[in-house]
Amino acid sequence: DAGITQSPRYKITETGRQVTLMCHQTWSHSYMFWYRQDLGHGLRLIYYSAAADITDKGEVPDGYVVSRSKTENFPLTLESATRSQTSVYFCASRATLGTEAFFGQGTRLTVV
Amino acid sequence: QQPVQSPQAVILREGEDAVINCSSSKALYSVHWYRQKHGEAPVFLMILLKGGEQKGHEKISASFNEKKQQSSLYLTASQLSYSGTYFCGTRVREAQKLVFGQGTRLTINP
Repeated sequence: DAGITQSPRYKITETGRQVTLMCHQTWSHSYMFWYRQDLGHGLRLIYYSAAADITDKGEVPDGYVVSRSKTENFPLTLESATRSQTSVYFCASRATLGTEAFFGQGTRLTVV
Repeated sequence: QQPVQSPQAVILREGEDAVINCSSSKALYSVHWYRQKHGEAPVFLMILLKGGEQKGHEKISASFNEKKQQSSLYLTASQLSYSGTYFCGTRVREAQKLVFGQGTRLTINP
């Protein structure tokens, strides 16, 4: 199916475990982004990527790792999950900087 | 640095107007507006690229004052379907990232 998809939609993990959230887009968009959404903070940028093998930090990158070996995939890894990383994570992509961003449906992550 | 949105929440009756403001301490290149329904992904509304430009469709429009680094979203004769959380995203010149504000929750009552 065309579009941007995130997996899993829901995830419960334990403190200290490594967890990877997947993001896949079928448009060959150059730019991809990871945001986390928490009450009172809106959408905060974690990491973004301008192209394959090019990534950069956003506002809240600590505790997260990203990679982009292929244009269509942009996984986000929590190396050692903490309770403060409980959040809803959104992946987004856009073709160029001046165009709209399309968001995935989000992944609700709970760290216990 | 996140842009600042105001107000944080608005409650209106159907048919009333609303204005949501977005301001930044940095020189902006563009402002992007999105709406998010509860439990769903944010959905694009519009992009403003030039100073003083106003855009809109139907009863939702926005302005961008490049000199003041401010943007406002105008919702006229609000409908129940306008309920949701509105986010402004800002991009500074030469930056590749889009940074969002904390959101404004709009509730429209019949």
